[in-house]
Amino acid sequence: DIQMTQSPSSMSASLGDRVTITCRASQDIGNYLSWFQQKPGKSPRRMIYGATNLAAGVPSRFSGSRSGSDYSLTISSLESEDMAIYYCLQSIQYPPTFGGGTKLELK
Amino acid sequence: AVQLVESGGGLVQPKESLKISCAASGFTFSNAAMYWVRQAPGKGLEWVARIRTKPNNYATYYADSVKGRFTISRDDSKSMVYLQMDNLKTEDTAMYYCTAGTMADWGQGVMVTVSS
Repeated sequence: DIQMTQSPSSMSASLGDRVTITCRASQDIGNYLSWFQQKPGKSPRRMIYGATNLAAGVPSRFSGSRSGSDYSLTISSLESEDMAIYYCLQSIQYPPTFGGGTKLELK
Repeated sequence: AVQLVESGGGLVQPKESLKISCAASGFTFSNAAMYWVRQAPGKGLEWVARIRTKPNNYATYYADSVKGRFTISRDDSKSMVYLQMDNLKTEDTAMYYCTAGTMADWGQGVMVTVSS
């Protein structure tokens, strides 16, 4: 199975900060990488697909990028509504595998 | 708008069975692969099962942790997808989510608790 190593597992940041979360794939996954946001008691929400494509309705402060086997989710200017847990997902090979999650908290 | 509504969760004892359902609307159900993803309390997301469409022979795929115990199925005439869970274990306790296609849309989830 492809392992998705997500970092950091948690972080705190201030409103307006630029925040970056990273996932590293254990094998080549091309651009078959999605990012999900999950708030307490809610279902996951897809934010990014195809490594760099913004999902419908997602604010433009969110972006996705790729450098080799490292995939990043960046929030350009953190807002209070962005506090959540973020997960990456690879979908090139079965089974699809999620990263362990990054809990983003307000400093 | 796409809607996915899960139902059928509850409390069962180890080794018992349970079948959960997901009612879909707002998209062409018969054209979409369907998935179940679960989340144990306080834990991360885990993909459980997938079922493809009729042109793909309704092919099914399972996580190793549930293979041989869970069965995913679909009824295109009713826009429903199901997860039959047999020989349940305490470690199957989780919120089970239904999602479709590219995982752009998710249901609200249904809780399954396995406990004696």
